Amino acid sequence: EPEVTQTPSHQVTQMGQEVILRCVPISNHLYFYWYRQILGQKVEFLVSFYNNEISEKSEIFDDQFSVERPDGSNFTLKIRSTKLEDSAMYFCASKRTAEQYFGPGTRLTVT
Amino acid sequence: GEDVEQSLFLSVREGDSSVINCTYTDSSSTYLYWYKQEPGAGLQLLTYIFSNMDMKQDQRLTVLLNKKDKHLSLRIADTQTGDSAIYFCAERTGGGADGLTFGKGTHLIIQP
Repeated sequence: EPEVTQTPSHQVTQMGQEVILRCVPISNHLYFYWYRQILGQKVEFLVSFYNNEISEKSEIFDDQFSVERPDGSNFTLKIRSTKLEDSAMYFCASKRTAEQYFGPGTRLTVT
Repeated sequence: GEDVEQSLFLSVREGDSSVINCTYTDSSSTYLYWYKQEPGAGLQLLTYIFSNMDMKQDQRLTVLLNKKDKHLSLRIADTQTGDSAIYFCAERTGGGADGLTFGKGTHLIIQP
């Protein structure tokens, strides 16, 4: 069964460093998403991406964040200058119609 | 704004039915979802319901939607130890908005 994959599973970085989180959505899906879950809190929507552009973003998704689909399979989330409060689990999701399928997540730890 | 509320914990005996409840505030919700998260794992889509339906059944899972009261429930029949997880309710609103709004999740605890 096709699934969304994410790499790495765990990323540790120092405050102020740039990180890139990678996702491979399900191959025939057209809509792509990033969400985050700070430990013990709700899963929060960050951004949606369709037809090679951002279609919606939340207040969390400020200028420090960017997304890209560099080729036909990968979807990336870049955080330019990480802060301690960016420590969270980051989930990628994709869909073709109504069902959003999530990847296993990347745990980002900022020290 | 949008908000989704769930009870934090539910404890049931193995073999009984579990009913997990969720309330939401946005009347323009188009789709409502249930996801399952096991420890250390991602979010597994269990089922979803379109807002013009009031019930959906899929094997042991039954979703009930009361649109007037903005109340959604997930019933798991014959609860097993493998059902132990956190269950998240999520809504997708209309008007072009596509991101899901999640509740805090309900921890389902199974007693032997």
